[in-house]
Amino acid sequence: DAGVTQSPTHLIKTRGQQVTLRCSPKSGHDTVSWYQQALGQGPQFIFQYYEEEERQRGNFPDRFSGHQFPNYSSELNVNALLLGDSALYLCASSSTDRDNEQFFGPGTRLTVL
Amino acid sequence: GNSVTQMEGPVTLSEEAFLTINCTYTATGYPSLFWYVQYPGEGLQLLLKATKADDKGSNKGFEATYRKETTSFHLEKGSVQVSDSAVYFCALRPNTNAGKSTFGDGTTLTVKP
Repeated sequence: DAGVTQSPTHLIKTRGQQVTLRCSPKSGHDTVSWYQQALGQGPQFIFQYYEEEERQRGNFPDRFSGHQFPNYSSELNVNALLLGDSALYLCASSSTDRDNEQFFGPGTRLTVL
Repeated sequence: GNSVTQMEGPVTLSEEAFLTINCTYTATGYPSLFWYVQYPGEGLQLLLKATKADDKGSNKGFEATYRKETTSFHLEKGSVQVSDSAVYFCALRPNTNAGKSTFGDGTTLTVKP
């Protein structure tokens, strides 16, 4: 079992650009959540996807959007990048028919210049 | 809303010292509580969890007890090792799979030989 995988590992963009991050959940998991972890802080919840729909959303602007595919993998899109979007983006997967433990991926480090 | 407060770091200990990292929470209902560990450049790893009041989570010598009366979930270890040096995050998650995780800001632990 490969666990939760994310790509790319690192990414450098400039202000105003758009970025897409990808996540493959742990085998058997159907729910994907995305978190933003700024340097020196705890992860902040962005949104959660289940059955290809956004089920819950945190306090992030509409520049942050996502998608879930039929195979449960997910993408996080950020438009009009700002310097403050620089962070580690974590994907977590879980299953609706097991206990509520989330498994986290290694993250994508986004740097906005 | 839900919130988690961790003792501020950094914490520096000598090898074999006793560790306590305090964590208190505010939540509606009765969430599950977690401790995660993050090593440099990596994602989050679940260290231990407790799903109801008075439960004790334990793993790798670390322990934490879910105290509903004091809304606390303090992390303890009797004898730390250099390899325990990492950032530790306390988190809560509502007991529904739709629930997002709320994290504290993390506590950096450095163990010196």
